[in-house]
Amino acid sequence: EVQLMETGGGLVQPGGSLRLSCVASRFTFTSYWMCWVRQVPGKGLVWVSRINPDGSFTSYADSVKGRFTISRDNAKNTLYLQMNSLRAEDTAVYYCVGGSGNYYPFDVWGQGILVTVSS
Amino acid sequence: EVVMTQSPATLSVSPGERATLSCRASQSVSINLAWYQQKPGQAPRLLIYDASTRVTGIPARFSGSGSGTEFTLTISSLQSEDFALYFCQQYNHWPTYTFGQGTKLEIK
Repeated sequence: EVQLMETGGGLVQPGGSLRLSCVASRFTFTSYWMCWVRQVPGKGLVWVSRINPDGSFTSYADSVKGRFTISRDNAKNTLYLQMNSLRAEDTAVYYCVGGSGNYYPFDVWGQGILVTVSS
Repeated sequence: EVVMTQSPATLSVSPGERATLSCRASQSVSINLAWYQQKPGQAPRLLIYDASTRVTGIPARFSGSGSGTEFTLTISSLQSEDFALYFCQQYNHWPTYTFGQGTKLEIK
């Protein structure tokens, strides 16, 4: 079964930093466009960032641009999200997700990891 | 940014009946529209893509239709495991993928 496993979440103070990791298994990670999507508990889904298969192209939602950095290590089948200058409004469950290309939906999802920004 | 609007926010239906969920895009997304199901404490699961194509293993009682700006997810003869939260998502205007706010399908 296809699997994505996120780690690195937790409680952080406003202004702090956190790095999420997502390890992929049982699918061709190196061919997938990978994203981070977040969800405030009980609310909707919001796309955060995207990276192409070789890591040369990244995109960000305006709400995180300049603060978050997405990256990947294809040798380790791992996706990352470096989150800096965290704000209370960044509190959410973060999902690592993947799709086969530009005009493809997200057919692979991690189980999600909670990030709480609070003093 | 393409805004996706789902209706209704909550839909109460009895088991065995049909449920019809709607999703509207603020501009055309062609057929690049997906439906996801999310149960409490779980990640969303892809049900339908390209507006009407079921993912392998998804029961035939789930069907999608529409193109452009108007889309529908129909679940015929609701089973107990179908009561969940449903999201639509456009992937036509990437990389800014956008989701609807969700429809909660609850037991009547």
